[in-house]
Amino acid sequence: TQLLEQSPQFLSIQEGENLTVYCNSSSVFSSLQWYRQEPGEGPVLLVTVVTGGEVKKLKRLTFQFGDARKDSSLHITAAQPGDTGLYLCAGAKNAGNNRKLIWGLGTSLAVNP
Amino acid sequence: DAGVIQSPRHEVTEMGQEVTLRCKPISGHDYLFWYRQTMMRGLELLIYFNNNVPIDDSGMPEDRFSAKMPNASFSTLKIQPSEPRDSAVYFCATRTSGGGVTQYFGPGTRLTVL
Repeated sequence: TQLLEQSPQFLSIQEGENLTVYCNSSSVFSSLQWYRQEPGEGPVLLVTVVTGGEVKKLKRLTFQFGDARKDSSLHITAAQPGDTGLYLCAGAKNAGNNRKLIWGLGTSLAVNP
Repeated sequence: DAGVIQSPRHEVTEMGQEVTLRCKPISGHDYLFWYRQTMMRGLELLIYFNNNVPIDDSGMPEDRFSAKMPNASFSTLKIQPSEPRDSAVYFCATRTSGGGVTQYFGPGTRLTVL
C-alpha cells in the first residue's frame, strides 16, 4: 500500500508552460518534503513544509501544504528544461528523533525546449 | 564538504554471487539509511542506523540481505546470494539528529544481476 500517492506519474510539457503536481494521502504528516532527482543522482531536497496551509516559494516553484497536513502540491511557473527530473514527495511520520520518511513514487517531468 | 560517498557506482554480477555495496556518510551525521529504488516500487527503505546501531530493519526483503555499520564512517549492504530481482539502484542517505528530517543522498549504486 502506497501511503503517498503522486500524480501525474509522467508529465511532458513545452518550455514556458505552467504545471502542477500533487501528493496525496489519507494520513496526517508532521511535515512534508519535496525532493528533485536527476538521472544518475540521488534525490536533493527542495523544500520542507510543516504548518497546515503553508505556502513556500522557491523562485518559479510554489509549494503548498494542505490545511489538514495530508496533501501537498507543487506548482511550476514557466517551466524550463532545467526543471526536468523526478519530483518526489516524502512525509515524516512519528514524533521524536526516530522519524522515517514515507516516499511517494514520484512525478517524472520532462520539459522540452 | 564531501557529500555521501557510495561505491561502486555500477555493479554487474551473475545470479548467485555475493554483492557488497559501500557507503561513507557525511561527517557528523549520526543517522544512515539504505534505500532501494525501482520504477515499480519507488524508493523503499531497507534499514536505518542511529549511532551505528540498527534501529529498523523491517524493510530488508529477506535473509539474503544484511547491513552493517562497524563505525561512524562506514556502512555496507550485502546481498548473498544475489538474484535478478535484486536489480535496482541502491541509495545510502544520511542526516543529523539535530537537522530535522532532511536526508542527504549519495549518488547511488546501480546493481544489475544477470
